[in-house]
Amino acid sequence: DQQVKQNSPSLSVQEGRISILNCDYTNSMFDYFLWYKKYPAEGPTFLISISSIKDKNEDGRFTVFLNKSAKHLSLHIVPSQPGDSAVYFCAASGSGGSNYKLTFGKGTLLTVNP
Amino acid sequence: DGGITQSPKYLFRKEGQNVTLSCEQNLNHDAMYWYRQDPGQGLRLIYYSQIVNDFQKGDIAEGYSVSREKKESFPLTVTSAQKNPTAFYLCASSGDGVSNQPQHFGDGTRLSIL
Repeated sequence: DQQVKQNSPSLSVQEGRISILNCDYTNSMFDYFLWYKKYPAEGPTFLISISSIKDKNEDGRFTVFLNKSAKHLSLHIVPSQPGDSAVYFCAASGSGGSNYKLTFGKGTLLTVNP
Repeated sequence: DGGITQSPKYLFRKEGQNVTLSCEQNLNHDAMYWYRQDPGQGLRLIYYSQIVNDFQKGDIAEGYSVSREKKESFPLTVTSAQKNPTAFYLCASSGDGVSNQPQHFGDGTRLSIL
């Protein structure tokens, strides 16, 4: 049972436009959500996170939106740059002493075309 | 620079052999984690440790063992009992294993069976 789903395996956008990556989750106990960026043969790099008490968090070109009722979060990248081309993973963790465990989606490959 | 160092980057194992993957961090983080990534998959938690001399099984601990004798080190041993060890192994750390803090990753070790 996949608790964190990234339904789009890939996404292609033009440089300068907006990239929107989506993530759905099923576990209502999740209360902390993160986005990671990963290049081939490297470890994931933390991008941005959001707590369930918020519905938006912004850091430079990256904004994460959380819709708790729909159990959906999205990552917006504006403007997109060729260096943003990578696999993006959505991850979630729960409360109740289980913050150690991040549950990851399968990732979305973003390609930003010059 | 502070960070997480995994070694070696590539590792080959013969059938029936145990191999140990190294993970060292100088971030003064209490919690450390081991994940496995298979092609087209998200990261899956193998073991985690919230404090020295203590560790817990993750979702896929069978065929693996760990130790946490020092705060900065969390080696993972892939034993001969692990039937499908070929994968990309990632080590991570976070300030603690309780509060909402992102995990930071090393660059991984790719293990292959000869």
